[in-house]
Amino acid sequence: QLQLQESGPGLVKPSETLSLTCTVSGGSISSSSYYWGWIRQPPGKGLEWIGSIYYSGSTYYNPSLKSRVTISVDTSKNQFSLKLSSVTAADTAVYYCARRGVGAPYAFDIWGQGTMVTVSS
Amino acid sequence: QSALTQPPSASGSPGQSVTISCTGTSSDVGGYNYVSWYQQHPGKAPKLMIYEVSKRPSGVPDRFSGSKSGNTASLTVSGLQAEDEADYYCSSYAGSTLFGGGTKLTVL
Repeated sequence: QLQLQESGPGLVKPSETLSLTCTVSGGSISSSSYYWGWIRQPPGKGLEWIGSIYYSGSTYYNPSLKSRVTISVDTSKNQFSLKLSSVTAADTAVYYCARRGVGAPYAFDIWGQGTMVTVSS
Repeated sequence: QSALTQPPSASGSPGQSVTISCTGTSSDVGGYNYVSWYQQHPGKAPKLMIYEVSKRPSGVPDRFSGSKSGNTASLTVSGLQAEDEADYYCSSYAGSTLFGGGTKLTVL
């Protein structure tokens, strides 16, 4: 059973860089059938797609966040990571990692439990 | 790219049917058969309920169904049950991934 687990600091200071890692267990991140993505949800608000990465390293970012986002993959560790620079209070959210099919299912079918990140001094 | 438009709330009594709409444009919902729906209970991660407009993942009850007409997609929950009370989000491919603002479904 494939599982995803987010990890990283729960508190980040304004203007600094938020860094999170998603560890994939029970399956290989190098599968050609899937993309791996990050989605966030501010408290009491809806979901926002941040970006996705393929095992080869190809990346796709939300245009509204593109200038501040970097997503990378480490196939040797079966992990992919998110870096979001110059954070503000507006970046406070639960951050989820998830798997999306290249083909069916063309949707995020497996999600991590999420990790809360607060931006505050 | 703007978020997809969903009604903030919907409700129905046990056993009834309720439909939640998701309105986009010809560049997202109307342009691709890549609409998906997610269910989210409080404090939990979203769960995929419908993908590619009308397909159900294994394990999702057939009480949940999806459809699309033009730029509007819909999720119908038939035979409402108490455990269906949750937030529901639609999503569509549009070159990138868009989500709707979410609909809180209340089972009366």
